Amino acid sequence: NAGVTQTPKFRILKIGQSMTLQCTQDMNHNYMYWYRQDPGMGLKLIYYSVGAGITDKGEVPNGYNVSRSTTEDFPLRLELAAPSQTSVYFCASSYQSGAYEQYFGPGTRLTVT
Amino acid sequence: TQLLEQSPQFLSIQEGENLTVYCNSSSVFSSLQWYRQEPGEGPVLLVTVVTGGEVKKLKRLTFQFGDARKDSSLHITAAQPGDTGLYLCAGAEANAGKSTFGDGTTLTVKP
Repeated sequence: NAGVTQTPKFRILKIGQSMTLQCTQDMNHNYMYWYRQDPGMGLKLIYYSVGAGITDKGEVPNGYNVSRSTTEDFPLRLELAAPSQTSVYFCASSYQSGAYEQYFGPGTRLTVT
Repeated sequence: TQLLEQSPQFLSIQEGENLTVYCNSSSVFSSLQWYRQEPGEGPVLLVTVVTGGEVKKLKRLTFQFGDARKDSSLHITAAQPGDTGLYLCAGAEANAGKSTFGDGTTLTVKP
């Protein structure tokens, strides 16, 4: 099993550019999450999804959009990239929320200059 | 938004020492998890606690959930360099579709 995969691993964007971070899981999990992690800090929830066709905002959704057309995929879209979006982005999935383990991808390191 | 405060933020100790890190909130959680994250990787689950007062042991690591389910602690006995990493706690409210993460404790164990 591949678990949670993310692409790309690294990306440099110029201010105002757009990009999509890809996330795929092969564990048939209902729940998927996008987090950002700034250096030396914890995880901030951007968006999450409880199943295909359902998404909801987390703590820091501004500047991002998501979609969940299938159980497996949960892409994160950045429109009009800003330096404040420089961060490491992690995708995660879990069978259910709460006490269920979240499985994380390896992360995407994004720099906006 | 529930807040989870972790302390200390940074901890640097010698191999063989004991340590405790804390995760505190004013809110009640239905469950609390501890994750460890190594540089360049995603977090990996260490333990989940769900019952107030619960104590779980994982080799040299002891996890405790507070009686009121508002706080938790992680105690490491005889720390080793392999314990180095970022320790994150995450709390989940009942029937919420998401968890809240603390800002983490960065542990460095020197040989």
